[in-house]
Amino acid sequence: EVQLVQSGAEVKKPGESLKISCKGSGYSFSNYWIGWVRQMTGKGLEWMGIIYPGDSDTRYSPSFQGQVTISVDKSISTAYLQWSSLKASDTAVYYCASAQSMAAAVGYWGQGTLVTVSS
Amino acid sequence: DIQMTQSPSTLSASVGDRVTITCRASQSISSWLAWYQQKPGKAPKLLIYKASSLESGVPSRFSGSGSGTEFTLTISSLQPDDFATYYCQQYNTLIRAFGQGTKVEIK
Repeated sequence: EVQLVQSGAEVKKPGESLKISCKGSGYSFSNYWIGWVRQMTGKGLEWMGIIYPGDSDTRYSPSFQGQVTISVDKSISTAYLQWSSLKASDTAVYYCASAQSMAAAVGYWGQGTLVTVSS
Repeated sequence: DIQMTQSPSTLSASVGDRVTITCRASQSISSWLAWYQQKPGKAPKLLIYKASSLESGVPSRFSGSGSGTEFTLTISSLQPDDFATYYCQQYNTLIRAFGQGTKVEIK
C-alpha cells in the first residue's frame, strides 16, 4: 500500500527557518514524482512545485520560486519542503502528493502538515 | 504557465440532483486533467484522471468529459457523501495548476 506520512504540526515565529518532511513507503520511492501543495485556511489548493527523487529534478511554480526549497533524500525515502525565513503569510496546511509518472495524476496524498507562523 | 478556471465557485443542490462543474484551461492540455474531491480537514481524493477515466473505487455516478481546453465533472445523482469541494488540475506540464475549486453545498 502506498503511503505518504508527513511530519507533525509546527508553530514558528516570523523570520525562523523550517523544514517539513514527507516519507514514502509501499512503492519505489525513487521512481514517483512528489509534489507539494499549499492550502491556506479556507482557501483552495495551490501547486508549489515537484521533484523527481531519482535525479532530484525539481520544478517550482512561479509564485513559489525563490520562496521555498524542495529536496529529497532517497536513501530514507523522504521529501522535504523548507523555508529559510518564514512569514505570517506562510501559515497554511502543506500537503505532499505523489504521481507515478509525468503523465500520471497525483493519486497519493500525505495527511497534511499545519504550519503556523505567528509572533 | 497554464491557468485553470473553474465554475461555478459555489453550487447549491439537493440529494438526487444532477450536478455539473466546468473547468477551462488557458491553453490546450489534451486530456491531461484530473478531478479531486476534498472534505474539510482531509487531503484531496482523486476521482477522475485523464479527463474521463474513473479512479478505482470511485462511484460510477461521477464522470468526466472534455479535451483540449474545456472539461466537465458530472455527478449524475448527488448523494449526501458528495457535499464537498471539487478541484480540477492539469498535468500537461510539471507546474500542475489547480482550478479555484467548486464547493457543492446542500440546498
